[in-house]
Amino acid sequence: DAKTTQPTSMDCAEGRAANLPCNHSTISGNEYVYWYRQIHSQGPQYIIHGLKNNETNEMASLIITEDRKSSTLILPHATLRDTAVYYCIVSRNSGGSNYKLTFGKGTLLTVNP
Amino acid sequence: ETGVTQSPTHLIKTRGQQVTLRCSSQSGHNTVSWYQQALGQGPQFIFQYYREEENGRGNFPPRFSGLQFPNYSSELNVNALELDDSALYLCASSLGAPGQGAPEAFFGQGTRLTVV
Repeated sequence: DAKTTQPTSMDCAEGRAANLPCNHSTISGNEYVYWYRQIHSQGPQYIIHGLKNNETNEMASLIITEDRKSSTLILPHATLRDTAVYYCIVSRNSGGSNYKLTFGKGTLLTVNP
Repeated sequence: ETGVTQSPTHLIKTRGQQVTLRCSSQSGHNTVSWYQQALGQGPQFIFQYYREEENGRGNFPPRFSGLQFPNYSSELNVNALELDDSALYLCASSLGAPGQGAPEAFFGQGTRLTVV
């Protein structure tokens, strides 16, 4: 699986948009970009994923560049409960149900009041 | 609440002992993956089970083994425990199917294992 690079930490003011970047310059054509987050002492939580088009759901938006070498997760109105470690993961489904999520160290997002 | 439950939540074992961790996957999910998360690190993939068969394995020694049952619940067994096995063990369930894009994984709260 392609490797990802994320900033170690970021701060955001409550109510503002949080934009979390991720570089994945070695991504291959059949690999998806996933975002998960982990709030302290809990299991990771799925946020969103995409292949090449931008995606939006009730939690966030995912913007993938045209060359697919980087992406940005956008939390439109961050709240204190969004404070967590955010993981950007590149993974593929190699057939059947065979896939794994390769987590790095992620970005610690701190939302400040 | 993801519908994935793990037991026990905390466990203390002595070096050299064996341990079994359990995971009940979300209803209808046929795929279970196990991850190990050391303090300050991201989760590391141990292995995955799909319809009771091992379907991929990470860089873990054979003393880490698993099972998936017909109801898709799962066990992780670790033999000859070492101090470095102290970690949070996470189970994730998903609904996989051939040819589909990788599905969303639902994680449990984890089992905190301490080896002394």
